[in-house]
Formats: sequence, C-alpha cells, structure tokens
Amino acid sequence: DGGITQSPKYLFRKEGQNVTLSCEQNLNHDAMYWYRQDPGQGLRLIYYSQIVNDFQKGDIAEGYSVSREKKESFPLTVTSAQKNPTAFYLCASSSFPQEGDTEAFFGQGTRLTVV
Amino acid sequence: GQQVMQIPQYQHVQEGEDFTTYCNSSTTLSNIQWYKQRPGGHPVFLIQLVKSGEVKKQKRLTFQFGEAKKNSSLHITATQTTDVGTYFCAGRGRTGLNFVFGPGTRLSVLP
Repeated sequence: DGGITQSPKYLFRKEGQNVTLSCEQNLNHDAMYWYRQDPGQGLRLIYYSQIVNDFQKGDIAEGYSVSREKKESFPLTVTSAQKNPTAFYLCASSSFPQEGDTEAFFGQGTRLTVV
Repeated sequence: GQQVMQIPQYQHVQEGEDFTTYCNSSTTLSNIQWYKQRPGGHPVFLIQLVKSGEVKKQKRLTFQFGEAKKNSSLHITATQTTDVGTYFCAGRGRTGLNFVFGPGTRLSVLP
C-alpha cells in the first residue's frame, strides 16, 4: 500500500541529546514537509523540500535540521539547540506545488518528550 | 508573511445541530484546502477549493471559497459524534510554494 510512514511513534529524549525522526514515503511525491504541533495548537512548518538535495526553512527552523538525499526520505533531527522540543511532529508529502495542487498526505506522527 | 486565521477556536454543539468554521487569510490565496484531525490522529485531507466563489459539497459538509479568495468556510449540517475533531484550513498564496495552516477549530459534539 502507498503511504507515508513515520517512526518511532513515541520518542523520549534526554536534555542535551540530538534525536532523529524518520519519514519515508512511497507515493513518488516530490515535496515533503515537517510540521510541529503543540497541544491544542495548529501546525507550524519547520522545514520543507521540493526536490532531492534541496530544502528550505519554514517558520520555526531554529534548533532543527533536515536532509533530503533520497526522494523517499526526509529525516528530521531535533538538536540540543531546540529549547522546547516536546511536541507532536508530523511529516507530510505532496505532489510538487503548482496550480493543480493535490492533497498533502500525513504520517501518523511522532510524539517527542524530553525527560 | 501570509497569515491564516480561523474562528471559532472551539465549538461545542449538541448532536444534530449545525456547525460552521471560518477561515481568513491576510493575503489573496491561489487555493485553499481543508483537513480534519481526529483526537490523537493526524490531519486527513477533505477538499481543495480553487475558483473564486466556489462551493463544494460532501454529504453533510459544505465548503465555500470567497469571491475575493481571501476567506473560506466549512459548514456541517446536523452534526454527528463522528464529526468530532479539529478542522484546519490551509491556504497557498499566489507566490508561495507551500500551504500555511490556520490554527484550527476544535469541534465537540455532545450526544
């Protein structure tokens, strides 16, 4: 089945550690996105990538890093520089944005907790 | 930059009552999408509107895109408990490469 997979579902991190969240899609989508969602809040864009080996900062990129070495994969690293990393992280993919946009498909999310 | 707002933030209704959420953008949009997120789940695409004044229906859900392409609404007729969740609009500006999400409207339906 085609879809977008995030792992792990739950992640606990000690303060000062870097952690990497996985996002894989087999939908052949060019664009991939990372969002952060805090309790009762909307989605804030962290990073997005329109094509392999290229990515752009979103609204809240500080303390995060990404890579896009393969079309299927867009991992997100939450670094120790991120002051308040506890949140629900959502990865999404879509066809390349153009006039006839198609929907964004979201993964199941990773719930990150700093302990 | 582009900002997308939604009202109300929360809405509690009795099952069978109607519900409407409104979405407003600070800039003219190329198109707008609506998503639903069930509690504990991830956003799921509902619909996309592209044309000025466009109205689309999905069973009890009616979506509208304003004439100026700066606002949109989602109306649910005769709500059911299965409608519970948060409804997000997401707008893309004429020059933007990605969608900007509104903060969402959380709907509770009392049986």
